[in-house]
Amino acid sequence: DIVMTQTPLSSPVTLGQPASISCRSSQSLVHSDGNTYLSWLQQRPGQPPRLLIYEISNRFSGVPDRFSGSGAGTDFTLKISRVEAEDVGVYYCMQTTQFPHTFGQGTKLEIK
Amino acid sequence: EVQLLESGGALVQPGGSLRLSCAASGFTFSSFAMTWVRQAPGKGLEWVSTISWSGPHYADSVRGRFTISRDNSQNMVYLQMNSLRAEDTAIYYCAKGLYLISDWGQGAMVTVSS
Repeated sequence: DIVMTQTPLSSPVTLGQPASISCRSSQSLVHSDGNTYLSWLQQRPGQPPRLLIYEISNRFSGVPDRFSGSGAGTDFTLKISRVEAEDVGVYYCMQTTQFPHTFGQGTKLEIK
Repeated sequence: EVQLLESGGALVQPGGSLRLSCAASGFTFSSFAMTWVRQAPGKGLEWVSTISWSGPHYADSVRGRFTISRDNSQNMVYLQMNSLRAEDTAIYYCAKGLYLISDWGQGAMVTVSS
């Protein structure tokens, strides 16, 4: 199974400041079709997960442009350019390149 | 607008069975794989099962006990859960997609306890 490791697990951030979350996979996420199926999800308190970023760097419909994704192979990053109050929650990376699909442990973003 | 509505969550005794349903709308259901993901209380996300054109896929933790199925005529996906254990207690989310898991339902709570 592919193990997804996120850092940090907790991130206190000042409103208006940037935030960054890293995700490392135990093996390459490049699929045989050439795509890399690495997504980022946001889960606000009491809510279901919401897709933010897919295939490393593509923002899903309706996602603000302050969210961006980057990386390749086994190392990936989610960045929030300026954190807003509504960004509080837990962020997960997820790989769907290979079964079983696996998630990172989650990173809790909170406001200082 | 994509909508996914889970139902069937309940309190069940260890060893019991339960069937979750997910009603889908707002997209061409038959063209998409469907996925179940669960989240134990206070824990992270765990993939459970996906049904795609290549057939069903299961997490090791549920293989042999859970069965995923779909009815394209009714835009429904199901998760039949047998031999339930305390560690199956979780919110079960229905989600659209295989490689791109784009939309999620609100979830159904399953509690396994005596």
